[in-house]
Amino acid sequence: QQQVKQSPQSLIVQKGGISIINCAYENTAFDYFPWYQQFPGKGPALLIAIRPDVSEKKEGRFTISFNKSAKQFSLHIMDSQPGDSATYFCAASKGSGNTPLVFGKGTRLSVIA
Amino acid sequence: DTGVSQDPRHKITKRGQNVTFRCDPISEHNRLYWYRQTLGQGPEFLTYFQNEAQLEKSRLLSDRFSAERPKGSFSTLEIQRTEQGDSAMYLCASSLGTGANEKLFFGSGTQLSVL
Repeated sequence: QQQVKQSPQSLIVQKGGISIINCAYENTAFDYFPWYQQFPGKGPALLIAIRPDVSEKKEGRFTISFNKSAKQFSLHIMDSQPGDSATYFCAASKGSGNTPLVFGKGTRLSVIA
Repeated sequence: DTGVSQDPRHKITKRGQNVTFRCDPISEHNRLYWYRQTLGQGPEFLTYFQNEAQLEKSRLLSDRFSAERPKGSFSTLEIQRTEQGDSAMYLCASSLGTGANEKLFFGSGTQLSVL
């Protein structure tokens, strides 16, 4: 049973466009929702994270939108650049991030010029 | 801060052999995690340590897998009697484990291929 469902599996976006990746979860005990970025041959790196007491968090070109009632959250990448081409993972954990993360299956983003 | 270091980067072994991987976390990080990642999938949690204590093990971690973190510093993950299904990237991560919103720092992983 997959605890965090991520879509789409892959995404192609024009340079300068908006990339949107969605995640849904079932466990209402989850209270910490990070997004990780992974380049080939590297481990994942934390990009941005949100807690359910806010509906949106923005850091530079990256924004997380959170919908607690729908149990969904999404990553928006504004002004997408070729350097953003990577695999993105949503994740969730309980206990304010104090328990092991559960990851989605990932979205492979390609930003083309 | 040299980041999380994993060794070796690649390991090719024959089915039935034992393998051991090493992870050196960021110094002063008291939490250390092992995850496994297969192609096209997200990382799957295996086990984690708070200092030298192993606090949780996933059901994915069969009795052929054992992890240690002596003295709360580096950690080793051993797989005995490897099977082809063990082929994966084994990722180590560390954190300060301060509680709320802990940030994981991942190493580049050890890619295991079981022939």
